[in-house]
Amino acid sequence: GAVVSQHPSWVICKSGTSVKIECRSLDFQATTMFWYRQFPKQSLMLMATSNEGSKATYEQGVEKDKFLINHASLTLSTLTVTSAHPEDSSFYICSARDLSGRTDTQYFGPGTRLTVL
Amino acid sequence: GENVEQHPSTLSVQEGDSAVIKCTYSDSASNYFPWYKQELGKRPQLIIDIRSNVGEKKDQRIAVTLNKTAKHFSLHITETQPEDSAVYFCAATFNQAGTALIFGKGTTLSVSS
Repeated sequence: GAVVSQHPSWVICKSGTSVKIECRSLDFQATTMFWYRQFPKQSLMLMATSNEGSKATYEQGVEKDKFLINHASLTLSTLTVTSAHPEDSSFYICSARDLSGRTDTQYFGPGTRLTVL
Repeated sequence: GENVEQHPSTLSVQEGDSAVIKCTYSDSASNYFPWYKQELGKRPQLIIDIRSNVGEKKDQRIAVTLNKTAKHFSLHITETQPEDSAVYFCAATFNQAGTALIFGKGTTLSVSS
C-alpha cells in the first residue's frame, strides 16, 4: 500500500520553543493531507486539513496561529507547533489519501510523539 | 458535521470467541466507513472498509456490516486470537479528496488465552 512518513518520530522540547513536524507521501501525490492529535487512551482528533498551495482549514477550537501548517508540495506537509507548552504534549499523526485511482484509502504516518517540558 | 459514536469502549473475550464492535454516524451523506486497528504507540492500520453501496464485506476472520437506514455499522471478528488485542477505531466520511475521516472514540479489545 501507499506509504506516508513522518519526521521526527519523537521530540522533546522546552516550553516556549517551536517544533516542526514533517509529513511526506512517499510513493503518491497528495493534494490534501490531514493532521490529527491523539492524547493517551483517546481517539484521533482532527486538527486541520492541509491543502497544497493554499491555506489550511482548521477545526473548531484549534488555534491556527499556534499550529502552523504549510503544504508546499504535493508530497510534503509540515505542522509547526509554536511556543509549545506542556499541554501540547501529544501524539501527532498525519494522513493522506492516494487518489491515483488504485484505491482511495487514507494512509497514516507513523506519528510524532511530542513532549514539552 | 459528522459525529461517530462507538461502543463498547472496552471488550474482553476469550480466545476463539467472537467480538463485535458497533458504531453509529450522524451524517447521512457519509459513504465510506473504514475500521482501523491501532497498537500502542503505533499508527492506525486499516483492517477493513465498506462503502455505502454495499451492505456487508468480509475478509477472512473480519467482517463489516452497514445499515444505511439506521446509520450504523459494525465490525465482527471471529475466532479471536491474542494478537487481535488492540484498540479499534471506526470512522466515517463523505469520501472525496478534501474530506477527513471522523473517528469514533475507540474500543480496547483484550483477547485472553
